[in-house]
Amino acid sequence: DAMVIQNPRYQVTQFGKPVTLSCSQTLNHNVMYWYQQKSSQAPKLLFHYYDKDFNNEADTPDNFQSRRPNTSFCFLDIRSPGLGDAAMYLCATSREGVLAEAFFGQGTRLTVV
Amino acid sequence: DAKTTQPPSMDCAEGRAANLPCNHSTISGNEYVYWYRQIHSQGPQYIIHGLKNNETNEMASLIITEDRKSSTLILPHATLRDTAVYYCIALNAGNNRKLIWGLGTSLAVNP
Repeated sequence: DAMVIQNPRYQVTQFGKPVTLSCSQTLNHNVMYWYQQKSSQAPKLLFHYYDKDFNNEADTPDNFQSRRPNTSFCFLDIRSPGLGDAAMYLCATSREGVLAEAFFGQGTRLTVV
Repeated sequence: DAKTTQPPSMDCAEGRAANLPCNHSTISGNEYVYWYRQIHSQGPQYIIHGLKNNETNEMASLIITEDRKSSTLILPHATLRDTAVYYCIALNAGNNRKLIWGLGTSLAVNP
């Protein structure tokens, strides 16, 4: 049973048109992460939530925003997608303060046309 | 978090043990070594982690050198489904921790 669910699996958006990717979890983990992964590269952390506390990576462009309305859901908003934002976007969760593993969703592959 | 270095690629014959090395020479005392893998077009999957003792679970074994500057992930009987990119990450034990990924090792298990 999927525990971290990302929708949709594939998303096509137009250049400059806002797009939202969603992630939900059934694990009740309080930490949620968003990663960007481009072809043949390692995942790159964009930001993460520790409960409601938002932590942005210093090099994450302002074009990327996130919302976490409750424990179960987290959204990635790309305000004006460029061609360079085409990538796989991965959502992950983990538990607070416990050296447990992070659970990843299957990812959303974003294409910008 | 300590930087890790891994060989970019490795091959292994099906049914044989796959030994994947990782160097983390700047690791600090409270940093754990985590291993994940990513099968093509899927999200990463946790494998195992350890601090200084060797660890084993149903997926793999982790051997950490006594000085903790390197480790080896062992898949005892590799199968074709183990073909993936394997990432070694050194992770601080404190709160607000985050996984910072290196380039990983692309393991090809051959029939």
